[in-house]
Amino acid sequence: GNSVTQMEGPVTLSEEAFLTINCTYTATGYPSLFWYVQYPGEGLQLLLKATKADDKGSNKGFEATYRKETTSFHLEKGSVQVSDSAVYFCALRGELAGGTSYGKLTFGQGTILTVHP
Amino acid sequence: ETGVTQSPTHLIKTRGQQVTLRCSSQSGHNTVSWYQQALGQGPQFIFQYYREEENGRGNFPPRFSGLQFPNYSSELNVNALELDDSALYLCASSLPPGEQYFGPGTRLTVT
Repeated sequence: GNSVTQMEGPVTLSEEAFLTINCTYTATGYPSLFWYVQYPGEGLQLLLKATKADDKGSNKGFEATYRKETTSFHLEKGSVQVSDSAVYFCALRGELAGGTSYGKLTFGQGTILTVHP
Repeated sequence: ETGVTQSPTHLIKTRGQQVTLRCSSQSGHNTVSWYQQALGQGPQFIFQYYREEENGRGNFPPRFSGLQFPNYSSELNVNALELDDSALYLCASSLPPGEQYFGPGTRLTVT
């Protein structure tokens, strides 16, 4: 079945440091890939996505490139801020079945990011 | 445009009891998915409803059941609560093939 593996956390950085959170996946076919962010006490917010190989998703300074050859979707940001402190989840959605059915999301275990001033 | 809402925010139940959690989908969305997020873990897919029919189920026992109403809002019911059912329950609505939008969750504590 589908699975997602994220780098072990937590990650602690100083403001303006470079961020990388590794994510690899196992899936058949051509899944869509996502990064979600969860702030304390809140639900999940979609941060970025990529739907096919070599696509780059980007939002709010975060980027991730869909690498099918390495089955990876690593999250990067060039200069983190204190406000980026949150839990980050990598997720995949399997290829859509025929008709109008919609694939479930499979999540990694999450990576806690703490950014200090 | 109103986003996904869930009620209640927090809930405390005793082992063996039953609970109903509610989710109102975003306007125009006809699909609702439910996830269980245990503390320190990623969300796990429970099931999905599309146009009032169950459309896929994860590895959860039958005591987890659901409904979707004509207005596409949804309920998650859990019978015979166990301590391990303590978690954040998230619902997400979507209009396939678009993205899933998550609500703030219901925190369930079973004592």
